[in-house]
Amino acid sequence: DIRMTQSPSTLSASIGDRVTIACQASQDVRTFLNWYQHKPGEVPKVLIYGVSNLESGVPSRFSGGGSGTHFSLTIDSLQPEDSATYYCQQYADLPYTFGQGTKLEIE
Amino acid sequence: HLVESGGGLGKPGGSLRLSCEATGVSFDFDTMNWVRQAPGKGLQWVASVTYRDMFIHYADFLEGRFFISRDDTRDSMFLQMNSLRADDTGTYYCVRAGFRDWGQGTLVTVSS
Repeated sequence: DIRMTQSPSTLSASIGDRVTIACQASQDVRTFLNWYQHKPGEVPKVLIYGVSNLESGVPSRFSGGGSGTHFSLTIDSLQPEDSATYYCQQYADLPYTFGQGTKLEIE
Repeated sequence: HLVESGGGLGKPGGSLRLSCEATGVSFDFDTMNWVRQAPGKGLQWVASVTYRDMFIHYADFLEGRFFISRDDTRDSMFLQMNSLRADDTGTYYCVRAGFRDWGQGTLVTVSS
């Protein structure tokens, strides 16, 4: 199984800050890597698909990058509504696997 | 849209059957998935099924207790959940291939 490791597990930042969440895969996942934002009681929301493609309707302050086994999600100019848990996920190989999540708190 | 149903309260050792129906957009030939989230835990892929049930895959932790299927004539997918355990409790999502299209989820609670 491909293990997805996110860092940090928790992150505290202020309005207007730029933050980056890292995701490392234990094997090459090519471009089959998505990022999600998940708030309690809501459906996980796709932010980035295929490593770096911004999902329709997602603010441009979200961006994704990386290749092979190392990926990142960057949020520019943090907003209060960005408080959530963020997950990376690989769908290159079965079983599809998610990172453990990064909880972002807005100070 | 993807619409799940069938969640609710199940007893340990009992069964539940979840359904997912596509409204407005057909399944076409897309592989369909179930993903779940237990309370306070992360997201977990459960199972996937390809067109006409040709290929089916399960997460190892299911230990043969769940069965996924689909009816492409009705753009519907199912998850037969048997031998329910307390740790099966959570929200179950129906998700299309590519993981960009998610249903709203259905809550399963396993408790005596």
